[in-house]
Amino acid sequence: EIVLTQSPGTLSLSPGERATLSCRASQSVNSNYLAWYQQKPGQAPRLLIYGASNRATGIPDRFSGSGSGTDFTLTISRLEPEDFALYYCQQYGRSPFTFGPGTKVDIK
Amino acid sequence: EVQLVESGGGLVQPGRSLRLSCTASGVTFDDYAMHWVRQAPGKGLEWVSGISWNSGTIGYADSVKGRFTISRDNAKNSLYLQMNSLRAEDTALYYCVKGGDPTGNYKAPCDYWGQGTLVTVSS
Repeated sequence: EIVLTQSPGTLSLSPGERATLSCRASQSVNSNYLAWYQQKPGQAPRLLIYGASNRATGIPDRFSGSGSGTDFTLTISRLEPEDFALYYCQQYGRSPFTFGPGTKVDIK
Repeated sequence: EVQLVESGGGLVQPGRSLRLSCTASGVTFDDYAMHWVRQAPGKGLEWVSGISWNSGTIGYADSVKGRFTISRDNAKNSLYLQMNSLRAEDTALYYCVKGGDPTGNYKAPCDYWGQGTLVTVSS
């Protein structure tokens, strides 16, 4: 099984700042089948990025994804108040499809 | 608008069984793979199982293999998860999730999520 590691565990930033979240895989992710999700308390996760760098429908362009192979990054260019949340990466290139443990972005 | 509504959760004793259901609307159900993802209280996300559009490809997490069975009925726009030999560590909110590839590819991101049904395994 592919193990995903996310860093940092918590990111404390102020609105307007840039956030950089990392996701590292224990093996190469097939065809860059790597997704990012946002989850807020009491809500279901929301798809942000798929295929490592493609924004899902309705996702603002301040969210961007990059990377390939085993190293992937989610960048939020300028944090808005609604962006403070938990973020998970997931690989869906090889079953079992696994999630990372998450990065919490909170207000500094 | 895509809607996924889960049902069947509840309190169950260890070793017993439970069957979860998910009904989809607002989508051509048999065009897409479907998945179950769970989240234990205060914990992260865990992919449980997935099934392709025609049930030809099925996968399971190692933690549930041999105990859980995923299935679908395209005529009823429904997804199921039969959970046997339940353990305390299966306690979680179970989400029904739609795959995001309209060709029905099993390998697809999770683009729509239900609100989840809570399963509690306890004596």
